[in-house]
Amino acid sequence: DAGITQSPRYKITETGRQVTLMCHQTWSHSYMFWYRQDLGHGLRLIYYSAAADITDKGEVPDGYVVSRSKTENFPLTLESATRSQTSVYFCASRDGMGITGELFFGEGSRLTVL
Amino acid sequence: SQQGEEDPQALSIQEGENATMNCSYKTSINNLQWYRQNSGRGLVHLILIRSNEREKHSGRLRVTLDTSKKSSSLLITASRAADTASYFCATVNFGNEKLTFGTGTRLTIIP
Repeated sequence: DAGITQSPRYKITETGRQVTLMCHQTWSHSYMFWYRQDLGHGLRLIYYSAAADITDKGEVPDGYVVSRSKTENFPLTLESATRSQTSVYFCASRDGMGITGELFFGEGSRLTVL
Repeated sequence: SQQGEEDPQALSIQEGENATMNCSYKTSINNLQWYRQNSGRGLVHLILIRSNEREKHSGRLRVTLDTSKKSSSLLITASRAADTASYFCATVNFGNEKLTFGTGTRLTIIP
């Protein structure tokens, strides 16, 4: 199916464990983004990527690692999960043409760190 | 830090009434966008207004932009129960590739 998919949708892990959230899009969009959503903070940008092998930090990158070896995939890794990383994570993408336009979002990955 | 701040944080109205949400931002923008998020779902793009535009319509949605006041409003006319959701404004600054989101307005339509 065309679109942007995230996996897993729900994840419970323990402090100190490594967790990887996957994001896959089928539009060949050049830009991909990871946001986290927390009550009272709205959506905050963690990392983004303008193309394969090009990534850059957002507003809250500490504790997260990303890679983009293929245009369609943009995994987000929490190398050593902390309770403060309990959140809902959204992946988004957009094309790279013209004015910065609309983002297309995945359904989110709800992560709980115990 | 948040660029956009929505007001009010929460709004409840009767079905059929109009709903107005406001967004204020801090720095000059290239464009401003509005998104809707249904409970437990991802965000969905509603409308984009460029910095040189003052008003835009899409179906029952009307968006205004006042760059002198650094503010925007989203009007939903003839509200329906299905409009119950959170609404976010997002801004794009000149020379920036990123969208910065506000904290959202939670809209509840009472049948």
